[in-house]
Amino acid sequence: DQQVKQNSPSLSVQEGRISILNCDYTNSMFDYFLWYKKYPAEGPTFLISISSIKDKNEDGRFTVFLNKSAKHLSLHIVPSQPGDSAVYFCAASFSGGYNKLIFGAGTRLAVHP
Amino acid sequence: DTGVSQDPRHKITKRGQNVTFRCDPISEHNRLYWYRQTLGQGPEFLTYFQNEAQLEKSRLLSDRFSAERPKGSFSTLEIQRTEQGDSAMYLCASSLVLPSPNTGELFFGEGSRLTVL
Repeated sequence: DQQVKQNSPSLSVQEGRISILNCDYTNSMFDYFLWYKKYPAEGPTFLISISSIKDKNEDGRFTVFLNKSAKHLSLHIVPSQPGDSAVYFCAASFSGGYNKLIFGAGTRLAVHP
Repeated sequence: DTGVSQDPRHKITKRGQNVTFRCDPISEHNRLYWYRQTLGQGPEFLTYFQNEAQLEKSRLLSDRFSAERPKGSFSTLEIQRTEQGDSAMYLCASSLVLPSPNTGELFFGEGSRLTVL
């Protein structure tokens, strides 16, 4: 039972353009959503999060959009840089759920010059 | 370095052997988590501690797996009688109990990669 799904295993984008990574979830009880970035041989690192009471959160080049009715969120990276090349994981948690995160399978982003 | 540290980074063992991984969380963090990640998948929750109490164990955590956090600081994850299907990256993470708003952020270590031959 995959509660968090990232249906695109990979994405290739040209440097300077926008990267859009998508994530779908099935459990309407989730109330926090997070994006993590992972480089090879390193642990995942937190990128940005959004509460279910919001529909947008922005941090520099990174913006997360949440569409609760569609149970869909997306991460926009503008402009994309070669250093953004990594695996991006979408994750979700429940309020009062002691930060237990449920992850998607990840999307590998390649930003090429 | 005040991040989450895990040891060893890589362990190769033969099927049937026991292995133990250690995690040292960020010192002021009272929540500690173990996750497992296999190739092409996201991290899967295994178990969670608040201080020394183990509050939840996933169904993924068979009887061969045991985790402890005896003094509410470092934690160990032991796998007995390893099987080839146990080959994975074992990730440890920690966090604080924060008052609202809580971003839900976990701080991950670099992981311990297990290869069972």
